Amino acid sequence: DAGVTQSPTHLIKTRGQQVTLRCSPKSGHDTVSWYQQALGQGPQFIFQYYEEEERQRGNFPDRFSGHQFPNYSSELNVNALLLGDSALYLCASSLGPSSNQPQHFGDGTRLSIL
Amino acid sequence: SQQGEEDPQALSIQEGENATMNCSYKTSINNLQWYRQNSGRGLVHLILIRSNEREKHSGRLRVTLDTSKKSSSLLITASRAADTASYFCATGLNNDMRFGAGTRLTVKP
Repeated sequence: DAGVTQSPTHLIKTRGQQVTLRCSPKSGHDTVSWYQQALGQGPQFIFQYYEEEERQRGNFPDRFSGHQFPNYSSELNVNALLLGDSALYLCASSLGPSSNQPQHFGDGTRLSIL
Repeated sequence: SQQGEEDPQALSIQEGENATMNCSYKTSINNLQWYRQNSGRGLVHLILIRSNEREKHSGRLRVTLDTSKKSSSLLITASRAADTASYFCATGLNNDMRFGAGTRLTVKP
């Protein structure tokens, strides 16, 4: 039973560039949430996708966008990268969008902005 | 805010001792979850407690929830070196879940 997989594991970009991160949810899960985790901090909620639509959004600018595909996998896109976007980006999947469900996390994509 | 805040920020104990971490929050919640994160890895779900529950157990873990005080605690009994990790509480309301900054637990062998 495959868990949540994220790619790539590491990525180095420069300011102003654009990046796409990918996530495949745990088998049987239909909801994907994305988090940004700065070093030494807790995960900050970016947004959640369910039924191919953005259902919830945290306090992140429009430079952060996403997509969910019919097979429930998801992408996170960040445009016009800033130094402050350097972080670990975590994807989590669950069965349904309710916060009453435990979330299963991937090991993240470490994004470094130079 | 709905977001939980863990206390203490860091905790260092000897193997075999118990570890207690606390989480406080400010608004109503539907549930509260605890997660563990080993360095450089994703978070692992430990336990979920609903707002109408007061205590839950899972193996060496015991979680309490006091909605009147808007607080929760996570107790790890008979700690092991492998319990060394960061522990986060996450408060859930409807479809929204928010994490605190975590407690860094170090268990010395």
